[in-house]
Amino acid sequence: QQPVQSPQAVILREGEDAVINCSSSKALYSVHWYRQKHGEAPVFLMILLKGGEQKGHDKISASFNEKKQQSSLYLTASQLSYSGTYFCGTEELGAQKLVFGQGTRLTINP
Amino acid sequence: DVKVTQSSRYLVKRTGEKVFLECVQDMDHENMFWYRQDPGLGLRLIYFSYDVKMKEKGDIPEGYSVSREKKERFSLILESASTNQTSMYLCASKTPNEQFFGPGTRLTVL
Repeated sequence: QQPVQSPQAVILREGEDAVINCSSSKALYSVHWYRQKHGEAPVFLMILLKGGEQKGHDKISASFNEKKQQSSLYLTASQLSYSGTYFCGTEELGAQKLVFGQGTRLTINP
Repeated sequence: DVKVTQSSRYLVKRTGEKVFLECVQDMDHENMFWYRQDPGLGLRLIYFSYDVKMKEKGDIPEGYSVSREKKERFSLILESASTNQTSMYLCASKTPNEQFFGPGTRLTVL
């Protein structure tokens, strides 16, 4: 069963912040986040492992709430280059495969 | 850099034809995957493989089969293509902490 992402789409002005949520009904081992630009392959952003950690680099960070099986991706002071579709991929313990959400389309306008 | 390549970026086939989509990775990864991507549905797993000659069904295997004769190559086969298989097909290979995608093959079945 696919994880559920929200919102499905968001439009921001450059410099604004965004939060993308990913929720699963399964007990998760890890959550991956990817960004896909139009016409390109998805590109890995970060992985969060069970343990309720938070990670980040530059102005993109994420958290993983193991109790709720939810992850959130935070984009602060968004840049035009952040535009694209963001996917979360969830992995159950021992599954060795990722199941992806339906994606969140992020549009950053000048 | 890890490289995942797919045999074609664009492919047009007729209903009933047998279609082969080829994927090659150069990093000796054991795990390889085939997804299809459709608007609003995200990335859906068709088949995956843990090792040579091993295969597992994903969430939407109907109408597809796979072959993995060598570790670096994972092929997706449409035995008798149908119009509802028109889609973007993405291959990926995976380490425990990151998944790498190929550029995708946009298949149109007429």
